[in-house]
Formats: sequence, C-alpha cells, structure tokens
Amino acid sequence: GNSVTQMEGPVTLSEEAFLTINCTYTATGYPSLFWYVQYPGEGLQLLLKATKADDKGSNKGFEATYRKETTSFHLEKGSVQVSDSAVYFCALNYSGATNKLIFGTGTLLAVQP
Amino acid sequence: KAGVTQTPRYLIKTRGQQVTLSCSPISGHRSVSWYQQTPGQGLQFLFEYFSETQRNKGNFPGRFSGRQFSNSRSEMNVSTLELGDSALYLCASNLKNQGGSYNEQFFGPGTRLTVL
Repeated sequence: GNSVTQMEGPVTLSEEAFLTINCTYTATGYPSLFWYVQYPGEGLQLLLKATKADDKGSNKGFEATYRKETTSFHLEKGSVQVSDSAVYFCALNYSGATNKLIFGTGTLLAVQP
Repeated sequence: KAGVTQTPRYLIKTRGQQVTLSCSPISGHRSVSWYQQTPGQGLQFLFEYFSETQRNKGNFPGRFSGRQFSNSRSEMNVSTLELGDSALYLCASNLKNQGGSYNEQFFGPGTRLTVL
C-alpha cells in the first residue's frame, strides 16, 4: 500500500543550524509529494511540493527534492530560526482522482536561540 | 480571500453523545476533505466530498459520517462518541476538479473535540 515514513522527533537545534528531516515513501505509480507545517494551535500549511521525479520544491528557505530512485523527499534548510519551531509533516497524494493525502507521523522541530 | 472556516473551534462531549462539526471551504472551492489528528494515530483521512458526492472514504467505523451541501459547506457527524474519538478534526478545501493535476489543499484551524 501507500505510506510515508518520517524521521522521529523531536529535533532540537540551535538558531542558524542546518536542518534535515528525512522522509521516505512507498507508493504505486508516481505520487505527488508535500511538506506541511503545523504551528501550535493551528491547522496545516503547505510548505512546499513536488509533483514529479527530480522536481525540487522550495519555500521560505526550505527545500526538498523528489528522488524516485531512493523514494525520498527529505526536507532541508540551511539556517533555521526560532520561528521555524513547529511540527513538520511529509505527505503524498497517489492519484489524480482524489485529494486524499497520506501523512507521515510528523517531526517536532524546536529551535533554541 | 477568507480561508477555511471550522466551527466550533472547541467542543466537549460525553461518551454516548453525538456531535456535528461544520466546515466552510474557501469561496469557489468545491472539494472538501476531513482528517482526524490524534497523538497516537497521527493524521488520518476520514472522507472527501466533491459537488455533494462522497468520493473517497477512510477506514473509520460507520459512526463517522459526513455530507456536503450545494454551497460546498460540509458537516461531519460522529454518533455514540467514544473516548478515543477525542482529537483535532481538520477540514481542507480544494479547487480541483476530478482528474487533472493536483492542486493545493487549504486547511482550516480544526475543531478540538474532547470526549469525557
């Protein structure tokens, strides 16, 4: 079946450190891949997306590349800020016939000043 | 443009009761999806509606039901509440028509349901 495996958290970093959150997926066909972010007390916001192999999604300094050969979509940021503290979810959509998203378990990121 | 609106934001019920949650999508969006978020199970898909028709349903018992109205507003209902139904219920709206490329889903702030 279709699934997403995400790096366990929490991840604690100092401000300006480099961030990597690992995400791998299992899917039939060619899924679209996403990173969502959830700030405390809020819903989910789309951070970035990639719809085909080798696409790079980027937004607000975050990047992720759709790697079909390794079935991965790792999230990276070169220099994190305290305001990046949130829960990050990797997700996939496996079919154009549905909007259903399959999510990973989420990774809590805590950035300390 | 107003975002996705969910009401109420917080709800406390007791076991055995039923509850109805409401979601108003972004104007012009015809697709609405519902998700349950719990610490133990994470984010799980409940159902998806497009133009008043349920297109997809997750693996939840029949106590969970939903519907969509002609103005695209959606409701979900949980009957005979159990303690395990305590969760954040998220609604997402999407402009996408059936088929075609994937468009962004916009999530509401959620309804926090506590079952005592």
